[in-house]
Amino acid sequence: TQLLEQSPQFLSIQEGENLTVYCNSSSVFSSLQWYRQEPGEGPVLLVTVVTGGEVKKLKRLTFQFGDARKDSSLHITAAQPGDTGLYLCAGLTGANNLFFGTGTRLTVIP
Amino acid sequence: GAGVSQSPSNKVTEKGKDVELRCDPISGHTALYWYRQSLGQGLEFLIYFQGNSAPDKSGLPSDRFSAERTGGSVSTLTIQRTQQEDSAVYLCASGRGYTQYFGPGTRLTVL
Repeated sequence: TQLLEQSPQFLSIQEGENLTVYCNSSSVFSSLQWYRQEPGEGPVLLVTVVTGGEVKKLKRLTFQFGDARKDSSLHITAAQPGDTGLYLCAGLTGANNLFFGTGTRLTVIP
Repeated sequence: GAGVSQSPSNKVTEKGKDVELRCDPISGHTALYWYRQSLGQGLEFLIYFQGNSAPDKSGLPSDRFSAERTGGSVSTLTIQRTQQEDSAVYLCASGRGYTQYFGPGTRLTVL
């Protein structure tokens, strides 16, 4: 079983602060994805990173894939209440199966 | 709508009963996945379909769980003789390539 550990598990911050969520594994993945999930809904894909060392930016969100393709991070700048949700990383194997991380529940306080 | 739909949205059942959960994928998506999510946690992979065949059933937790897909479209996840530990949100996703699109899930509560 490919285990993806996310840290922190819970994060509560004030609006305007910056934060980083980490996703770590001992396994190598062909690519890694980040999802955000809101209550009562399924996860929604934010980004896919494919190349070791790759950095992708989506507005205030910056995603990085580790050089060894075993870990990733999500950095949010100037967090807003709309960023509140459960953030999930997911590693993709060659068999096209996704292994999800343990999740980070983010709360941004106005 | 054009998204993945699941039914029912909520299901409450008694221990020992059988339940069927339905997933309608996005039209044209050949890949279909079932996951289980315990309260606020990450997703546990259950089964993957490519067309009507299931090349990977490795995530099914016991022989009480089964799934089928017909016509390369609708899929049904069946849980026989439900147990309290089966209580969770069951999510379905359909996909093409790297991207999976999730439905809203079925919340199953076993009393």
